Amino acid sequence: QKEVEQDPGPLSVPEGAIVSLNCTYSNSAFQYFMWYRQYSRKGPELLMYTYSSGNKEDGRFTAQVDKSSKYISLFIRDSQPSDSATYLCAMIAGNQFYFGTGTSLTVIP
Amino acid sequence: EPEVTQTPSHQVTQMGQEVILRCVPISNHLYFYWYRQILGQKVEFLVSFYNNEISEKSEIFDDQFSVERPDGSNFTLKIRSTKLEDSAMYFCASSERYTGELFFGEGSRLTVL
Repeated sequence: QKEVEQDPGPLSVPEGAIVSLNCTYSNSAFQYFMWYRQYSRKGPELLMYTYSSGNKEDGRFTAQVDKSSKYISLFIRDSQPSDSATYLCAMIAGNQFYFGTGTSLTVIP
Repeated sequence: EPEVTQTPSHQVTQMGQEVILRCVPISNHLYFYWYRQILGQKVEFLVSFYNNEISEKSEIFDDQFSVERPDGSNFTLKIRSTKLEDSAMYFCASSERYTGELFFGEGSRLTVL
């Protein structure tokens, strides 16, 4: 079983839609969770960082963590064409980061 | 805004040649990392570095790989004898603290012919 599971998509939504991206994990040692956005042939860009169960909001982005279910989500409200990218979840155990495979998102104008 | 910078952005090399990829982490960060991403695949951990020594490394990081912090600013990844399968995007990253946010550079694309 992979440490981190993420649906690779691709996911295609119309502009203005709410997007839900999800990751599940198996290792209870994961305590810190991040979401990254990666444009084609660019480095991952940190969007959200959280360490507790519950919701964290930043503008149009909301990160949700459910440690009891080992499940994290990223919601994007009012999606824009500029949100078209690959979204990676990442988790920390020790000081090693584990990444999901990434979900490819296209927002259609 | 502080950022991680990497050079070169793209390097083409012949199989068997040595390659050095360079990174300048964010200045007040203490933890440094190399990751790689083969085209279309996931980001894979290679190595983490703290206090002038390797703290963790993955199975990918074999004897052909080495890292160094030769001065107070640069962090390098050396591949001693490149193989075709080393072709990938190599990302340097840094963080301020042990479980801190990880900030990535733009990557160095390595093509081995």
